[in-house]
Amino acid sequence: EIVLTQSPGTLSLSPGERATLSCRASQSVSSSYLAWYQQKPGQAPRLLIYDTSSRATGIPDRFSGSGSGTDFTLTISRLEPEDFAVYYCQQYGSSPETFGQGTKLEIK
Amino acid sequence: EVQLVESGGGLVKPGGSLRLSCVASGVTFNSYNMNWVRQAPGKGLEWVSSISSSSSYIYYADSVKGRFTISRDNSKNSLYLQMNTLRAEDTAVYYCARSYSSSWYSPLGTWGQGTQVTVSS
Repeated sequence: EIVLTQSPGTLSLSPGERATLSCRASQSVSSSYLAWYQQKPGQAPRLLIYDTSSRATGIPDRFSGSGSGTDFTLTISRLEPEDFAVYYCQQYGSSPETFGQGTKLEIK
Repeated sequence: EVQLVESGGGLVKPGGSLRLSCVASGVTFNSYNMNWVRQAPGKGLEWVSSISSSSSYIYYADSVKGRFTISRDNSKNSLYLQMNTLRAEDTAVYYCARSYSSSWYSPLGTWGQGTQVTVSS
């Protein structure tokens, strides 16, 4: 099983700032099948990024993904108030699919 | 609008059973893999089970293997999760999720609102 470790656990930033979230895998993620999700309290997760760097339908271009192998990054270029939430990475190239433990992005 | 609606959650005693359902509307259901993902209170996301579009391929997390059974009825645009021998650690919100694309390797693109399952005596 591929274990995904996200860092930091909590990130405190202000609107307008740039956010960089990390996801490290215990072994190489097959064919860069790595996704990022956003979850707000009381809501289901929402797909942001898939295949490491492709934005899902309707996702603003301030969200971008990068990485390969075992190290992946989600970047939010300029934080909007609605971006403060919990973010999860997920690998779907190997069974079982696994999620990271999440990074909480909070308003500073 | 694409919509997934789960039902069937509730309070059950340890060792009991529940059957969750998920009905899809406004979406092409029968061409996509479907999944169940759960989230324990205050915790992260845990993949539970997946089923291919034709039910030919089925996978389970080790934590539920032998106790849970996933199935689907494409004629009814419906997904199911039969949960037996429930344990306290199965307490969670259970989400139904459709794969983003029709290819095998796909993230989870459409999610339901979730249904709460509580296992307690």
